[in-house]
Amino acid sequence: AQSVSQHNHHVILSEAASLELGCNYSYGGTVNLFWYVQYPGQHLQLLLKYFSGDPLVKGIKGFEAEFIKSKFSFNLRKPSVQWSDTAEYFCAVNPGYSSASKIIFGSGTRLSIRP
Amino acid sequence: DTAVSQTPKYLVTQMGNDKSIKCEQNLGHDTMYWYKQDSKKFLKIMFSYNNKELIINETVPNRFSPKSPDKAHLNLHINSLELGDSAVYFCASSQEFNEQFFGPGTRLTVL
Repeated sequence: AQSVSQHNHHVILSEAASLELGCNYSYGGTVNLFWYVQYPGQHLQLLLKYFSGDPLVKGIKGFEAEFIKSKFSFNLRKPSVQWSDTAEYFCAVNPGYSSASKIIFGSGTRLSIRP
Repeated sequence: DTAVSQTPKYLVTQMGNDKSIKCEQNLGHDTMYWYKQDSKKFLKIMFSYNNKELIINETVPNRFSPKSPDKAHLNLHINSLELGDSAVYFCASSQEFNEQFFGPGTRLTVL
């Protein structure tokens, strides 16, 4: 069965530290990849997405992610985190080119930033 | 001019009651979804409609019944509410395989 794994359940960092959140998926075909962020008490918002082209994708708020096909990974990075980055982060994979394809979400990583 | 809206935002009710949550999107998208997010933040898809047709129906108790009167609306009706139904329910929409836009969520508490 297709799955998305986010191995870090809870990450705690100090402000200005660098961030990398892992995301691995299990699907051998073409995929569309997403990272969403959910700030406390709010809904999910798109941070960035990868469909094709440059595997290094830049998103909003200084986030970026790198698609490594050989590793089935799409890790999220930010060089210097801020307290306002405290949130839940979800990786998602759409295994196919159809809206009928079920987008699969990872279990989420909670990011806590110490001021 | 909210893109995806849900009502109500909060819903507190007794076990055994029947309740509905409404969702509307003004983005012109062709696909709408219902997700359930539990207390551990795990997000599980429940249903998906494409052009008013049900295309994804996960293993969800038949007490949950979605209804899509048109492309812009997807409502969720829940019969005989149980304690385990307490969660945050998110509506979302997308155009084909593009990213999903989420509504603000409905926090359902069953007492």
